[in-house]
Amino acid sequence: DQQVKQNSPSLSVQEGRISILNCDYTNSMFDYFLWYKKYPAEGPTFLISISSIKDKNEDGRFTVFLNKSAKHLSLHIVPSQPGDSAVYFCAASARGNAGNMLTFGGGTRLMVKP
Amino acid sequence: AAGVIQSPRHLIKEKRETATLKCYPIPRHDTVYWYQQGPGQDPQFLISFYEKMQSDKGSIPDRFSAQQFSDYHSELNMSSLELGDSALYFCASSWLNTEAFFGQGTRLTVV
Repeated sequence: DQQVKQNSPSLSVQEGRISILNCDYTNSMFDYFLWYKKYPAEGPTFLISISSIKDKNEDGRFTVFLNKSAKHLSLHIVPSQPGDSAVYFCAASARGNAGNMLTFGGGTRLMVKP
Repeated sequence: AAGVIQSPRHLIKEKRETATLKCYPIPRHDTVYWYQQGPGQDPQFLISFYEKMQSDKGSIPDRFSAQQFSDYHSELNMSSLELGDSALYFCASSWLNTEAFFGQGTRLTVV
């Protein structure tokens, strides 16, 4: 049973517009959430994270929103650029102890059209 | 800045052979993670080490073993390889429960 789900396998957005990638989780023990960006044949690259004590974290064009009651988080990219085209993975962990692993969602392929 | 280094980048093995993948974490990172990503799948957690001790175990087959050495590098040993083991294997490292940084991965092809 997948504990982290990204229900949209792909998303297409026009350059300059907003990209919104969604992620749902089921495990209430998760308290730390991350977004990674991945290009083919490369490792995931860390983008932005959010702790469960916050509901929003912003870094430049990237903002992550967390709704704990709905067990839902989203990544907003504004404005979207063609270079943002990649697969985006949502990941979650329960940071109760050192060394907690990440549980990944299935990924969403974002295509930003010029 | 130094990143996570994995070697080799590509590896081709025959069924029933053995493979060893290496991972060199970012300096001063205390935790190493191994993930397996099959074709069209999301990365699946295999195993992790914190301060050279195994800390978490995921869906790692019994044919696989791993360890972290005194210099913090880690090796994933895979024996009796099967066709289904063909995948991208990622190593990641982190420090004190902060975000994990991933290496470029090793693409293992079993023929």
